[in-house]
Amino acid sequence: KAGVTQTPRYLIKTRGQQVTLSCSPISGHRSVSWYQQTPGQGLQFLFEYFSETQRNKGNFPGRFSGRQFSNSRSEMNVSTLELGDSALYLCASTPDSGRASNEQFFGPGTRLTVL
Amino acid sequence: AQSVTQLGSHVSVSEGALVLLRCNYSSSVPPYLFWYVQYPNQGLQLLLKYTSAATLVKGINGFEAEFKKSETSFHLTKPSAHMSDAAEYFCAVSGVIGNQFYFGTGTSLTVIP
Repeated sequence: KAGVTQTPRYLIKTRGQQVTLSCSPISGHRSVSWYQQTPGQGLQFLFEYFSETQRNKGNFPGRFSGRQFSNSRSEMNVSTLELGDSALYLCASTPDSGRASNEQFFGPGTRLTVL
Repeated sequence: AQSVTQLGSHVSVSEGALVLLRCNYSSSVPPYLFWYVQYPNQGLQLLLKYTSAATLVKGINGFEAEFKKSETSFHLTKPSAHMSDAAEYFCAVSGVIGNQFYFGTGTSLTVIP
């Protein structure tokens, strides 16, 4: 099976712009989670989608949003970019919903740089 | 509330020496615990996971971890470090609801030749 794919891998934007990141989960996986990774804050949970519905949400401002499509692909959007949004954004998929023992399979990430 | 604490943000070992990376957890329910490794410019790869089946868990690349409830610990070990083990290691605990992981701040492992 192909792994989790994320596009684009690298992105450079300027403050005030918006950006959309894409994630394709492993075939058959229905849950997609997003994380932000920065040197100062580490890995922080953004949100999780399952069956096109947001099921969990982390402590991020409303500028961060996401959605999931019927084929389980997911996008996240960040509006009005700030310098502090520069980070590695990781997507992870799991085969099931709500089973805490499930491991998450991570994509390679999208490196976002905000200038 | 779920959380993990990784002691030591940087660990250096000589090639061939024992690797010990520390992780302590806090959980309101019996925890599911995970160790991931991240190489530069890559995503996270699962090393091993604890799901209550056995307290000593063996993972990939010769790593293993032991779940100790009395110490609320899940330390990662490898008997003999290899140069290719140099990477960032993350301990994580799963949330109570849904697929949300709580990660530690990571430990950067350096292997000295």
